[in-house]
Amino acid sequence: GAVVSQHPSWVICKSGTSVKIECRSLDFQATTMFWYRQFPKQSLMLMATSNEGSKATYEQGVEKDKFLINHASLTLSTLTVTSAHPEDSSFYICSALDDWEQYFGPGTRLTVT
Amino acid sequence: AQRVTQPEKLLSVFKGAPVELKCNYSYSGSPELFWYVQYSRQRLQLLLRHISRESIKGFTADLNKGETSFHLKKPFAQEEDSAMYYCALLSGTYKYIFGTGTRLKVLA
Repeated sequence: GAVVSQHPSWVICKSGTSVKIECRSLDFQATTMFWYRQFPKQSLMLMATSNEGSKATYEQGVEKDKFLINHASLTLSTLTVTSAHPEDSSFYICSALDDWEQYFGPGTRLTVT
Repeated sequence: AQRVTQPEKLLSVFKGAPVELKCNYSYSGSPELFWYVQYSRQRLQLLLRHISRESIKGFTADLNKGETSFHLKKPFAQEEDSAMYYCALLSGTYKYIFGTGTRLKVLA
């Protein structure tokens, strides 16, 4: 089946720095990828839809200048958390669309100190 | 408003007992609904899609448009069914809306 990877699986960064998270579709091409945020014991919150070759579509309340998304190829989307703050600490999950089905990455745990 | 509601945060049942995980949705168009499962320390994966009408790992889910529900059922729970279950609605342009999830614990 289709596989989606994320890198890194966990990262600790200092407040004010930026961190990049990669999402790759390993054995299929994904025109569309999604970025979610998951708080402890809560559901997934869709942050943005990433479309290859065009600007990402952000959900209401998500700052596009803070969460930079780049989908430069059909197998790679990146999420950069800029000027990170402790409240950005969370579990970030990406998914890639293959036809109608979403395939999820394993997630990246970000801790901002 | 488009919304998915899973009223139970936690559902505990004994092994061999029937299971029903509730999901209600709010959507103005023709809904496309899914159940996703997340086992401990694993990624989210698709369990069921209402269109396919399949039974996966003994689970079934019927779309009831009158009650706007898509409850997940299994007649005899097994310990390996313990996981987090999410109901999701596909809302146009491939945007997915997830419910808050229900943790199922199957007790020996």
